[in-house]
Amino acid sequence: TQLLEQSPQFLSIQEGENLTVYCNSSSVFSSLQWYRQEPGEGPVLLVTVVTGGEVKKLKRLTFQFGDARKDSSLHITAAQPGDTGLYLCAATGNQFYFGTGTSLTVIP
Amino acid sequence: EAGVAQSPRYKIIEKRQSVAFWCNPISGHATLYWYQQILGQGPKLLIQFQNNGVVDDSQLPKDRFSAERLKGVDSTLKIQPAKLEDSAVYLCASSLSQGGYEQYFGPGTRLTVT
Repeated sequence: TQLLEQSPQFLSIQEGENLTVYCNSSSVFSSLQWYRQEPGEGPVLLVTVVTGGEVKKLKRLTFQFGDARKDSSLHITAAQPGDTGLYLCAATGNQFYFGTGTSLTVIP
Repeated sequence: EAGVAQSPRYKIIEKRQSVAFWCNPISGHATLYWYQQILGQGPKLLIQFQNNGVVDDSQLPKDRFSAERLKGVDSTLKIQPAKLEDSAVYLCASSLSQGGYEQYFGPGTRLTVT
């Protein structure tokens, strides 16, 4: 059983479109992180959210932590080919867990 | 500053053979992690060290996998004997300390077991 379920698993969109990736759990977390991983490389941290209801923006990326601190979303506005990659949420329960991952392809 | 170094980048072995991976974390980082990542999935934590002590190895298949960080700096992960299902990317990461600090990842070692 995966502690952190991400949806969708795969996403292929045209450049300029908007998209949202979800990270859901039945557990409560003190903080949640989002990473992006490009082929042949390790994941790179994008953001850490700590407070329930918190919203953080990173250029065209908007991250939200659920009020109950069980879920999170990542919204990308006007996606670009450089956004292509595997997006991973991660959180610390009794150990550190990564989510199942969302593979995003942005077509020029 | 230099990032997390891993070697080799690629390794192909036959089943039942042994293999070892090496990781050198960012200087000064006390916590070191080894992950296994199956293609298209999120990384799974295998073992976490704090300095030279093991914090968590609950998901390490101890009948075939072993890891050490003897001097609290670099680390090796060994598989003996390898199985087909061990084919994956093995990622090493380090952080200043445990407990929610940002993890910095190396490029990984892609292992293929035939």
